[in-house]
Amino acid sequence: SAVISQKPSRDICQRGTSLTIQCQVDSQVTMMFWYRQQPGQSLTLIATANQGSEATYESGFVIDKFPISRPNLTFSTLTVSNMSPEDSSIYLCSVGETGGARQPQHFGDGTRLSIL
Amino acid sequence: KQEVTQIPAALSVPEGENLVLNCSFTDSAIYNLQWFRQDPGKGLTSLLLIQSSQREQTSGRLNASLDKSSGRSTLYIAASQPGDSATYLCAARSSGNTPLVFGKGTRLSVIA
Repeated sequence: SAVISQKPSRDICQRGTSLTIQCQVDSQVTMMFWYRQQPGQSLTLIATANQGSEATYESGFVIDKFPISRPNLTFSTLTVSNMSPEDSSIYLCSVGETGGARQPQHFGDGTRLSIL
Repeated sequence: KQEVTQIPAALSVPEGENLVLNCSFTDSAIYNLQWFRQDPGKGLTSLLLIQSSQREQTSGRLNASLDKSSGRSTLYIAASQPGDSATYLCAARSSGNTPLVFGKGTRLSVIA
């Protein structure tokens, strides 16, 4: 399965600042996703990162708050903008294997973000 | 809208015991279901994927079953070990175009 590297692994940020999280995959993948896991909660999909076009956001998430880039089939970034303490979460990059939804989905180790 | 529930939220068992983790989903028109393991401070590790046409999948000491009619899946762990201690997450996909919907997980502790 694909190896997914996320950077940074954790960060502590000041209120009002922005942070960009990087996701690098060791092979070309069709589907890349960004999830959020708030403390004590299950994973929630933020958006699907589309190569060469704008990301597809889930209800409750907007591009101004969570801009996403996907310049190629192995790399994506998620920016958390104008952060507040409510954004303290684990952010996870996920990829689907070639073959689509019939294949397992895999996750990186996540970025643990704390906002002061 | 698909909703996934996992019971119990936490479970503690002695080493060597066989155990079952439960997952229920509301939309029986399921596409596939995936079980994951999450260690503290880590991402998710995929354990098993069951397609809608399958009844079960096995990997080593793990066996996952799927019963669409009752909206349930179980993860059976045989001969549990302290290294099995982790949070186990169940996620269901309703169609090929919809994302995985996750339960809140079951936090398992295997006591030596």
